[in-house]
Amino acid sequence: EDQVTQSPEALRLQEGESSSLNCSYTVSGLRGLFWYRQDPGKGPEFLFTLYSAGEEKEKERLKATLTKKESFLHITAPKPEDSATYLCAVHSWANDYKLSFGAGTTVTVRA
Amino acid sequence: SQTIHQWPATLVQPVGSPLSLECTVEGTSNPNLYWYRQAAGRGLQLLFYSVGIGQISSEVPQNLSASRPQDRQFILSSKKLLLSDSGFYLCAFRDRGYEQYFGPGTRLTVT
Repeated sequence: EDQVTQSPEALRLQEGESSSLNCSYTVSGLRGLFWYRQDPGKGPEFLFTLYSAGEEKEKERLKATLTKKESFLHITAPKPEDSATYLCAVHSWANDYKLSFGAGTTVTVRA
Repeated sequence: SQTIHQWPATLVQPVGSPLSLECTVEGTSNPNLYWYRQAAGRGLQLLFYSVGIGQISSEVPQNLSASRPQDRQFILSSKKLLLSDSGFYLCAFRDRGYEQYFGPGTRLTVT
């Protein structure tokens, strides 16, 4: 069964203090790894898809990277508006229609 | 462009009452559709998914059911709500790629 573990559960940062979130996964053949951002009381917002080890994607202050066992979401010089819960999900060859989600990392950026 | 709608946004229902949540997608045809539940501080739990009209797969045994009467319409129902049905319900769709796109969600409180 596909498993996704995110760490840490919560992260408090000062504005401008760069950091990374971790997503470790165990799947039977990775088709894709996805990052989402979720604001309180709202649905998750799609950020990135990564397909193979070594791939990187960037969007504003966020950069996602992928290895064979984990993915990192780097937040560079965060601002208060980057405060949100970040979810990681995987799609494997064994589960064609479904994604397996991690529990998320809640990031709080203080001004 | 594709959009996804859910209603109602919030709902307070007594134990034992029926439930109907609706989700519609615009700007695509024959999408995969999903219902998730997110309990407070927890990850996303897949409840149902559908790959076509009238085709429903259930992931978790419970007193909820789902139907897909039209290509871009997905309905989540219950005949009698339980306290444990409280949560944040999210509808999502998958189009040509593997990523899923989420609606705004429905906050259900069972009293």
